[in-house]
Amino acid sequence: SAVISQKPSRDICQRGTSLTIQCQVDSQVTMMFWYRQQPGQSLTLIATANQGSEATYESGFVIDKFPISRPNLTFSTLTVSNMSPEDSSIYLCSVSRTGDSDTQYFGPGTRLTVL
Amino acid sequence: QKEVEQNSGPLSVPEGAIASLNCTYSDRGSQSFFWYRQYSGKSPELIMSIYSNGDKEDGRFTAQLNKASQYVSLLIRDSQPSDSATYLCAALQGAQKLVFGQGTRLTINP
Repeated sequence: SAVISQKPSRDICQRGTSLTIQCQVDSQVTMMFWYRQQPGQSLTLIATANQGSEATYESGFVIDKFPISRPNLTFSTLTVSNMSPEDSSIYLCSVSRTGDSDTQYFGPGTRLTVL
Repeated sequence: QKEVEQNSGPLSVPEGAIASLNCTYSDRGSQSFFWYRQYSGKSPELIMSIYSNGDKEDGRFTAQLNKASQYVSLLIRDSQPSDSATYLCAALQGAQKLVFGQGTRLTINP
């Protein structure tokens, strides 16, 4: 599996501000994804980060709230914009690799608390 | 109806016994299924994947898939306290979307 890192690992933010989360992989991967895990809940897919083009968002998630970039095959960012306490969650990136595109491996996550 | 359903538990099993975790899914088009283990405060870690009907064994873990019944299970033999975690069942929808169940919290009692 790929080695995946995320920055920051945790943050406490004020309402109305924005936070950008970085996801870095140690090798080129086919697909990168962003998930949210709200307190006590399971994982929900936010979007697929597409290299060189706009991300593909799932129902209930919009680009204005969660802009995503993927400038190359090993790096992606997720921004949580105009935050409210309801955005307090763990945000996880995952990757899949060429030849095993069904299988996703998760990064360590970013624990976000919005006050 | 949720797309992937699991009993949230907690499921309590004595050390050395077999832990049995179950999952059902609603999308008959799903072909790939996964079990992840998530320790408290950590991210999900892949344990098993299964694509064909029947059993797939890996060490102490056995995944079972029955597509006719839309049922996936995970058996953990010789359960250890270190197996205590939340186990997430996931089904792949379409080309890339993983849909997760709510997870089953498993506790292994020494």
